[in-house]
Amino acid sequence: DVKVTQSSRYLVKRTGEKVFLECVQDMDHENMFWYRQDPGLGLRLIYFSYDVKMKEKGDIPEGYSVSREKKERFSLILESASTNQTSMYLCASSFRDRGLYEAFFGQGTRLTVV
Amino acid sequence: KNEVEQSPQNLTAQEGEFITINCSYSVGISALHWLQQHPGGGIVSLFMLSSGKKKHGRLIATINIQEKHSSLHITASHPRDSAVYICAVRGAARQLTFGSGTQLTVLP
Repeated sequence: DVKVTQSSRYLVKRTGEKVFLECVQDMDHENMFWYRQDPGLGLRLIYFSYDVKMKEKGDIPEGYSVSREKKERFSLILESASTNQTSMYLCASSFRDRGLYEAFFGQGTRLTVV
Repeated sequence: KNEVEQSPQNLTAQEGEFITINCSYSVGISALHWLQQHPGGGIVSLFMLSSGKKKHGRLIATINIQEKHSSLHITASHPRDSAVYICAVRGAARQLTFGSGTQLTVLP
């Protein structure tokens, strides 16, 4: 019973390409998040959205943009991929601003930019 | 200084051992999460707590709000428990702040 689905497990892209990472959740969650995970740095928040068409920058938004046209789908866009964006990308979702509501994570997308 | 500190960073144990992973945080929180990440990347939520103690099978999580500290215990550890364990806290904002994780390896 998969709840948060990321479109790809592994991606290899060339420097300068525009890259789309897709995330879909089936739990009617308002909040959706994009993180990147790097060794020694843990998970860092790139962008999040708490409603359709709403987005807020996280800790490291530079070089990224997002789109949330439908409640269940949150897309991360790398406008012009660079090698320093090689990382594991994780999507998560949760109910709106409820401290005790758990977050559900996707399986991750390992992106390599060459 | 990171807002969420975990220790140890790496832990190797023999099968059957009792394991403790610690998490300290420096901000006021509404909830603390313990997460498990297996090789391959997927993250699973183990516990979410705001006070006291929770138990699920061989896993126990405790939190002391006054001391800003939480522990994750694994009793009778097994090689399948090998994973990265991540502590995350939710403050006033909607998003989580994560610790850097503890890599646990349980040897048969």
